[in-house]
Amino acid sequence: NAGVTQTPKFQVLKTGQSMTLQCAQDMNHNSMYWYRQDPGMGLRLIYYSASEGTTDKGEVPNGYNVSRLNKREFSLRLESAAPSQTSVYFCASSGTHSGANVLTFGAGSRLTVL
Amino acid sequence: GQQVMQIPQYQHVQEGEDFTTYCNSSTTLSNIQWYKQRPGGHPVFLIQLVKSGEVKKQKRLTFQFGEAKKNSSLHITATQTTDVGTYFCAGSAGTASKLTFGTGTRLQVTL
Repeated sequence: NAGVTQTPKFQVLKTGQSMTLQCAQDMNHNSMYWYRQDPGMGLRLIYYSASEGTTDKGEVPNGYNVSRLNKREFSLRLESAAPSQTSVYFCASSGTHSGANVLTFGAGSRLTVL
Repeated sequence: GQQVMQIPQYQHVQEGEDFTTYCNSSTTLSNIQWYKQRPGGHPVFLIQLVKSGEVKKQKRLTFQFGEAKKNSSLHITATQTTDVGTYFCAGSAGTASKLTFGTGTRLQVTL
């Protein structure tokens, strides 16, 4: 009963390096999301995927790409990391809970770009 | 675009005192959800409100949705140290794919 699993939990990059954050859910949810969390800014949506095979931009998509590999997996890629991308990244999936379309979050990935 | 603001940004209370956080949207919402994030943790769903003027309770927590469906509040009665964390509201003007989170209110409770 893992829910949403994110890897890695921590990562330090140098400016210009690339990396991929992995996310997998085992709840058979159709929709998946990537958020970033910065102090005082709340959670901001980067990209989301309403269903397998579709992806859409959220509020802050610049500098990121995503892949919905299959129904379970949704990855986030930073092609050329910048210090402004230092943040905590959360993957989430959504399913119905007591009639509400509820987000279930992963544990988060803390990324530092030097 | 849709903006959701929360006040206060931070509140420190003594255990046993009450606490309220307010959430205001720039647009009319179809529903609003509340999440709690413990320090070092991830957001966890608390509740959803859908109807204008709706009030829901979960033990010491009372949630309200405004009549105009543009604001909401979370009130905690007699706080406990287990209430420590950041509370986020999240509003949707349509589908869950466009859920916009508020800026959050961090609650600190001391004995």
